[in-house]
Amino acid sequence: DIQMTQSPASLSASLGETISIECRASEDIYSNLAWYQQKSGKSPQLLIYAANRLQDGVPSRFSGSGSGTQYSLKISGMQPEDEGDYFCLQGSKFPWTFGGGTKLELK
Amino acid sequence: EVQLVESGGGLVQPGASLKLSCVASGFTFSDYWMSWVRQTPGKTMEWIGDIKYDGSYTNYAPSLKNRFTISRDNAKSTLYLQMSNVRSEDTATYYCTRAPGYWGQGVMVTVSS
Repeated sequence: DIQMTQSPASLSASLGETISIECRASEDIYSNLAWYQQKSGKSPQLLIYAANRLQDGVPSRFSGSGSGTQYSLKISGMQPEDEGDYFCLQGSKFPWTFGGGTKLELK
Repeated sequence: EVQLVESGGGLVQPGASLKLSCVASGFTFSDYWMSWVRQTPGKTMEWIGDIKYDGSYTNYAPSLKNRFTISRDNAKSTLYLQMSNVRSEDTATYYCTRAPGYWGQGVMVTVSS
């Protein structure tokens, strides 16, 4: 299985701060990576797919980048509504695998 | 609007079987691969498997392949997850998904005696 190592596990950011979350794959996943946000008690919401494609309706402060085994999600200007859990998902090889998640809080 | 509504969860004893359902609406169900994903109480996400749009092919997480079966009824726009010989570690919220962007609200399964 492809292992997805996500960091950091938790993060506290100030209003307007720019933050990054990383996912590292154990092998090349050819940009087959998605990023999700999950708020408490809710289903995951897709933010980014194909490593850098912004899902319709997602604010432009969210962006994704990376290739090969290294990927990142950036939030350019933390907002209160960005609090929640974030995780990556690789869809390159079965079984698809998730990162361990990042809990993002507003400082 | 795409909607995925899971049902069939609850409290189940170890070793028992349980079948989850997911009714889809807002899209042509028979055109899409569908998946099941679960999330443990500790928030760990695990992809369970998926099924081809016509039901002719499935993929499973190797650790679950012998106990979980995914099926579908395209006439009813319904996806199923048959769980057998459940264990405490199967306690989780189970999501039906149309990857990558559509997820149901989830259904909780608790395995306990």
